[in-house]
Order: sequence, then C-alpha cells, then structure tokens
Amino acid sequence: KQEVTQIPAALSVPEGENLVLNCSFTDSAIYNLQWFRQDPGKGLTSLLLIQSSQREQTSGRLNASLDKSSGRSTLYIAASQPGDSATYLCAVPLNSGYSTLTFGKGTMLLVSP
Amino acid sequence: ETGVTQSPTHLIKTRGQQVTLRCSSQSGHNTVSWYQQALGQGPQFIFQYYREEENGRGNFPPRFSGLQFPNYSSELNVNALELDDSALYLCASSFRGRTYEQYFGPGTRLTVT
Repeated sequence: KQEVTQIPAALSVPEGENLVLNCSFTDSAIYNLQWFRQDPGKGLTSLLLIQSSQREQTSGRLNASLDKSSGRSTLYIAASQPGDSATYLCAVPLNSGYSTLTFGKGTMLLVSP
Repeated sequence: ETGVTQSPTHLIKTRGQQVTLRCSSQSGHNTVSWYQQALGQGPQFIFQYYREEENGRGNFPPRFSGLQFPNYSSELNVNALELDDSALYLCASSFRGRTYEQYFGPGTRLTVT
C-alpha cells in the first residue's frame, strides 16, 4: 500500500526566503508525482506534475524534483511571497490501474510580510 | 471551457440522515473521482466512475455510493451519516486517456451534528 509523508507539517517564513517542502513515498514504482496547492476551505490546484522519467519540473518560482529510487520529492519555492501562503500537497497514483491519487497530509505554509 | 463545479458549497446534516452531493465534470472529461478530506488530512479516495459504472473504490463502507450520468455529471450519496463523515468532499474529473491529469472542484463542506 502506497503511503505518502510530507515534512514539515507547517512552516512559517518571512517574505523573500527560499524554502523547500519535502515529500516521501513508500512504493517507488510510481509513474508520476504531483504537487497541489490548497487555499483554506477550497479545492486543489495542480502546480507541477513530474513524470517518472523526469528528474524535475519548473514553473515560475516553483521547482519540483523527483528521486524515485529514494522515494522522495522536493518542492522548492524561490523568493516566497505572502500570496504563497497555503497548504501544499503531494500525490502519487494509488496504483497502476487507476487515475486516482494518494495524498500526503500536506505542509501548511505561512509567508509573513 | 467550464471547470469542475460542485453543489452545494456547504451542508449541515444530523447524524443518521442521508445526503447527496453533486459534481459537474469539466467539459470533455468522462471519468470522475470522489475524495473525502477531513480537517488537517490529505484527501482520501472514495471511488471513481467511468461510463456510469464504478471503476474503483477506496476503503469506504457501502453506505457511500455514487452515480454517474450520461452527461458525465456525478452524485455522491452517503446514508446513515456519522459524525466522522464531517469533511470536505472533493470531486475530480479527468479524461480516460489522460488519467494522470485530474481537475478538482471547489468541494462541498459537510458538517454532521
């Protein structure tokens, strides 16, 4: 059974700092990994999707890396802004047969002005 | 292009009652997945529908049931509500051939008292 863990559970930083969020998964036989953003009480917004054949993906100030062999992914946020405050979730496919996802519990990020 | 919509936004029910939540898929998507997200947790997969049939199910009891209609809209029904059913319920639509790209709705917040 795939399990996803995210560290830290919460993070508070001043505006402008670079930061790293961590995600680990127990079954390395994944074919992609996604990072989502969730604002309080809202749905999920997909930020980045990394295919198993890729090592990293970039979108603006966000960079996600994937190391399948060690079962780890990181989300790097450069020059953080108060608007980045949200919960960040990583997710991998539940199994090879479905398009459904198994999620970590998320990292709650607060960026203060 | 219309995104994924869910109704109602919020709902309060009493223990033992029944509830129906609704989801309209993004245009062109033929697969819908439902997730339950308890406070402070990541979303948990409930079930998935494709071509009006259940295509996979997570660890949820039979009192959680669903429907998918020919227009790909969907319902989640929960009978005999329990206090632990209080959560944000998310639906996500995708296209069968691109099952790793799921688009999430804003969710329905269910409170059971």
